[in-house]
Amino acid sequence: DAGVTQSPTHLIKTRGQHVTLRCSPISGHKSVSWYQQVLGQGPQFIFQYYEKEERGRGNFPDRFSARQFPNYSSELNVNALLLGDSALYLCASSLTGSRGTEAFFGQGTRLTVV
Amino acid sequence: AQTVTQSQPEMSVQEAETVTLSCTYDTSESDYYLFWYKQPPSRQMILVIRQEAYKQQNATENRFSVNFQKAAKSFSLKISDSQLGDAAMYFCAYRSPGTGNQFYFGTGTSLTVIP
Repeated sequence: DAGVTQSPTHLIKTRGQHVTLRCSPISGHKSVSWYQQVLGQGPQFIFQYYEKEERGRGNFPDRFSARQFPNYSSELNVNALLLGDSALYLCASSLTGSRGTEAFFGQGTRLTVV
Repeated sequence: AQTVTQSQPEMSVQEAETVTLSCTYDTSESDYYLFWYKQPPSRQMILVIRQEAYKQQNATENRFSVNFQKAAKSFSLKISDSQLGDAAMYFCAYRSPGTGNQFYFGTGTSLTVIP
C-alpha cells in the first residue's frame, strides 16, 4: 500500500512568487494536516483538514492557505513567498480526527526561496 | 498553548549501549497523547512510541521505552542496545485528544551512534 505521498520533492522559487504543494493521504484516510519544518527546528503545525473542512489553523500569516478535495488529497498554497518560507513542508494523514487515531507522515517537500 | 521542550540538541551513544533522551511539556489539559518520532536523513517522520496520558503504565516497543511522569510533565525516551540504524533526529510531540494529526513538536535531539 502506498503511504502518504507529497509532490514535488524539491522546489526552488523566487521571492514574491506563489507555490502549491500537494499531498495524497493513505487510502481511506480522511484527515490531512500540514507542517513547516525550518532547518534545525521541529515541525510547526499550519493546517488540519477533515472531511474537506478546516479543523485547525496554526499561527501562520494569511499568505498560507490550504484546501482538501473530495478524494481527500490536499493542497497547501503560499503566496508572496519570503526567504523565511524556505523549509521542509510535511503532510500527515490519519483515518479520522478523533482520539486514538494514528498519523502517518510523508517525506515532505523541500522548498527553497531565493 | 501547549509547548514541548527538548533540552538536548545532540546526544551520542556507543553501539549496544543505552541512551535516554529528555522531553518536558507544558499543558493545562488532563487528557492528551505524547509521542516520540524519529526523522532519519530521508526526512520521513517515523513513529517510535506513543503514550496516552490516562494510562499509568509506561509504553514499551521492543528496545524503546518511555518514562512518563505526568505530574512533572516529563516524557523521556530510553533506547536500549543501540544500533547504527537508530542514528537520526528524535522529536518529542504532544497531541490533544480529538485533534487527529495536529501535533506540537519539540526542537529535536540529534542522536549519533558510535560503532
